[in-house]
Amino acid sequence: QLQESGPGLVKPSETLSLNCSVSGDSISNTGLYWAWIRQSPGRGLEWIGSSYYNGRIYYNPSLKTRVAISVDTSRNYISLRVKSLTVADTAVYFCARQDAMYHYFMDVWGQGTTVTVSS
Amino acid sequence: IVLTQSPATLSVSPGERVSLSCRASQSVSNLAWYQQKPGQAPRLLIYAVSTRATGVPVRFSGSGSGTEFTLTINSLQSEDFAVYYCQQHHEWPREYSFGQGTRLEIK
Repeated sequence: QLQESGPGLVKPSETLSLNCSVSGDSISNTGLYWAWIRQSPGRGLEWIGSSYYNGRIYYNPSLKTRVAISVDTSRNYISLRVKSLTVADTAVYFCARQDAMYHYFMDVWGQGTTVTVSS
Repeated sequence: IVLTQSPATLSVSPGERVSLSCRASQSVSNLAWYQQKPGQAPRLLIYAVSTRATGVPVRFSGSGSGTEFTLTINSLQSEDFAVYYCQQHHEWPREYSFGQGTRLEIK
């Protein structure tokens, strides 16, 4: 089970910090990635990045300069930071468990947390 | 890699059979399909092009290769009306992307 948490409202130009708590599974599972995906209002899904327990992280090239994902194996959660926010970053942010062995599908998702960027 | 799904919206009646298309701008080896209902997270339906995820009814099937992929739903049920997304894996540089979605609505 995955549970996202974070502030619902942030101001433009600020930095967003989100956490994803993982239960029933280990972040250190070598067969899994942990991904962040977002969905802007009325729009489709956008992959943000995927992290491995050892710190290996893959980012969406279009977001790479503004985002950072980290993994905390001791507390079994992953984090997302997005800096220099604009209104275009308003979205529902999901974390998801991702297969890291062969097929890279995302089979367990959190319920999502809504983030609004507004002054 | 850009995934283009068509059509954007499909109006169908319960009981019908539908095919949703996902076209990739380059050849991909791994493709998955997801179903999303309003206010919910996406649900994995199909992975590795044609393998149904655990608990997914047999009326859902995936096919294709290279750049052309299809999700077929036989005998549509009322609970199948939702938005469907395809997702690809690209090895190098490593990245993942989703199609823009196909909305399945009741005629």
